[in-house]
Amino acid sequence: QKEVEQDPGPLSVPEGAIVSLNCTYSNSAFQYFMWYRQYSRKGPELLMYTYSSGNKEDGRFTAQVDKSSKYISLFIRDSQPSDSATYLCAMSGLSGGYNKLIFGAGTRLAVHP
Amino acid sequence: DAGVTQSPTHLIKTRGQHVTLRCSPISGHKSVSWYQQVLGQGPQFIFQYYEKEERGRGNFPDRFSARQFPNYSSELNVNALLLGDSALYLCASSLDAPRAYEQYFGPGTRLTVT
Repeated sequence: QKEVEQDPGPLSVPEGAIVSLNCTYSNSAFQYFMWYRQYSRKGPELLMYTYSSGNKEDGRFTAQVDKSSKYISLFIRDSQPSDSATYLCAMSGLSGGYNKLIFGAGTRLAVHP
Repeated sequence: DAGVTQSPTHLIKTRGQHVTLRCSPISGHKSVSWYQQVLGQGPQFIFQYYEKEERGRGNFPDRFSARQFPNYSSELNVNALLLGDSALYLCASSLDAPRAYEQYFGPGTRLTVT
């Protein structure tokens, strides 16, 4: 079993829709939870990060963490064609004195006009 | 502000050859991590360096090595290349704890091994 599971999609939605992206994980030591956006053939771009459980909002994006269920989500409101990309969840916890990121496989999102 | 830079952008090598990839972190960041991303998968952790010292290593063979220089730039070296080493190699930089989890990635070096 992988430490982080993420549905690869693809997910196709019309412009203006609310998008829900999710990841589950197995390691209860994870404390930091990140979402990255990666356009084709580019490096991942950090969208949001959250420490422990709770919600965090930034513009059209909302990140949620439920540590009791080992489940994290990213919501995108009023989705735009420019949001079409692969979304990677990543998690980290201090282990051996340093933070490494453990990634999901990524979910491909297509927002069509 | 300049982000993380990596060179070269693309590279084509033959099996058995050696390759060196380079990374310059964001100004003020002293930690550099390397990741390998195979097509269709998420990045996998290879190394992390802080202040020129190796802090951590992922599950990669000894053919992979790295170092960090006094100006915090870093090199990733891969010896005896295999076809399976074809991937996007990503460098990420960060501040030290408590913000070490906040890692910013460069554009990557796409390595093709033939």
